[in-house]
Amino acid sequence: AQSVTQLGSHVSVSEGALVLLRCNYSSSVPPYLFWYVQYPNQGLQLLLKYTSAATLVKGINGFEAEFKKSETSFHLTKPSAHMSDAAEYFCAVTYQAGTALIFGKGTTLSVSS
Amino acid sequence: KAGVTQTPRYLIKTRGQQVTLSCSPISGHRSVSWYQQTPGQGLQFLFEYFSETQRNKGNFPGRFSGRQFSNSRSEMNVSTLELGDSALYLCASSSGGGMNTEAFFGQGTRLTVV
Repeated sequence: AQSVTQLGSHVSVSEGALVLLRCNYSSSVPPYLFWYVQYPNQGLQLLLKYTSAATLVKGINGFEAEFKKSETSFHLTKPSAHMSDAAEYFCAVTYQAGTALIFGKGTTLSVSS
Repeated sequence: KAGVTQTPRYLIKTRGQQVTLSCSPISGHRSVSWYQQTPGQGLQFLFEYFSETQRNKGNFPGRFSGRQFSNSRSEMNVSTLELGDSALYLCASSSGGGMNTEAFFGQGTRLTVV
């Protein structure tokens, strides 16, 4: 069965610092992987997705993620954190055929000035 | 282009009652998925509908059910509500074209069971 594991339920960085949010997947077949962001009292917004076209995927708001098959990882990074990046981030994989998503537990990102 | 609309935004129900939540997908989208979000369990997939047919189902009891209409609008129903059903229920729509298709989420319905 497909699953994703997000390491670290809470990550704190200073404004301007590197953001690194970790995600590992468990899949017996090449997965489709996604990163979503959720702001308080809001739904989820897609940051980026991996679809096998390229291992380095660029998303919105300066985020990017690198697919590493040997490490079964899809970590999310941003070179310089902004206060507006404070939110909860979810890694997800598609479930069976269709578009249903299996989510990780989420990582709350805090950004301090 | 209008986004995914969920109604109502907030709901308070009493244990044992039933509730129906509504989701209007983005125009032209044929797939609607439902998710339950709680602090303890996180985001859990409930079910997915595509062209009025349930395509996938998560691991939830039969008290949770859904349907999709010919205009792609979807409803989910929870019968015999329990305190543990208190959650944010999120609906997502997509074109349904495949496993790499982006899902667009609504703002959710916050259900509180008392």
